[in-house]
Amino acid sequence: GAVVSQHPSWVICKSGTSVKIECRSLDFQATTMFWYRQFPKQSLMLMATSNEGSKATYEQGVEKDKFLINHASLTLSTLTVTSAHPEDSSFYICSASGTGPTTGELFFGEGSRLTVL
Amino acid sequence: AQTVTQSQPEMSVQEAETVTLSCTYDTSENNYYLFWYKQPPSRQMILVIRQEAYKQQNATENRFSVNFQKAAKSFSLKISDSQLGDTAMYFCAFMKPFHTSGTYKYIFGTGTRLKVLA
Repeated sequence: GAVVSQHPSWVICKSGTSVKIECRSLDFQATTMFWYRQFPKQSLMLMATSNEGSKATYEQGVEKDKFLINHASLTLSTLTVTSAHPEDSSFYICSASGTGPTTGELFFGEGSRLTVL
Repeated sequence: AQTVTQSQPEMSVQEAETVTLSCTYDTSENNYYLFWYKQPPSRQMILVIRQEAYKQQNATENRFSVNFQKAAKSFSLKISDSQLGDTAMYFCAFMKPFHTSGTYKYIFGTGTRLKVLA
């Protein structure tokens, strides 16, 4: 199946710093990428949807200035948590969907655990 | 608005036995997709099975099959011959194509934690 790679897997940062998480589709062109946040033992909460070359569409309640999403190419999307605070600590997951026979199927990255001290 | 409900937060099953995970959804759409995703302890989500709403035949993937009842808006997952590696969190997901922004819209259920016992 298609592969989506997310980096870094773990990141610890000090409060007030910014952290960038990368999401790459390794073997297909990801026309759409999704960023989720997952709290322990809970479901995925969609943060934003991004299409290559256009601005991300944020879900209600998600601060776009805090969670900057860039989808500059068909294989790379980045999520930058700006001025991170302890309440931003969470598991962030990206996923991508392409076109063709697998249209609609989501391919997930491995997730990134962010801990803000 | 669409909703997805998984009423079983946790389930357990003996190895080699069969278990059914339930999922119901609410939508006024006629064209949509349904998925079951698995999230093992390693945390990476993987697709288990998918069902197109326009198909009446229930999807099957090896030991995994679904019971899709469109009128009842039910989409249960049956795991036959359960294996220890099936231990994971299972999420039911509804996908509406052609979201107003031109992208897909996914809605996930709250998940069912399945534990397969040796």
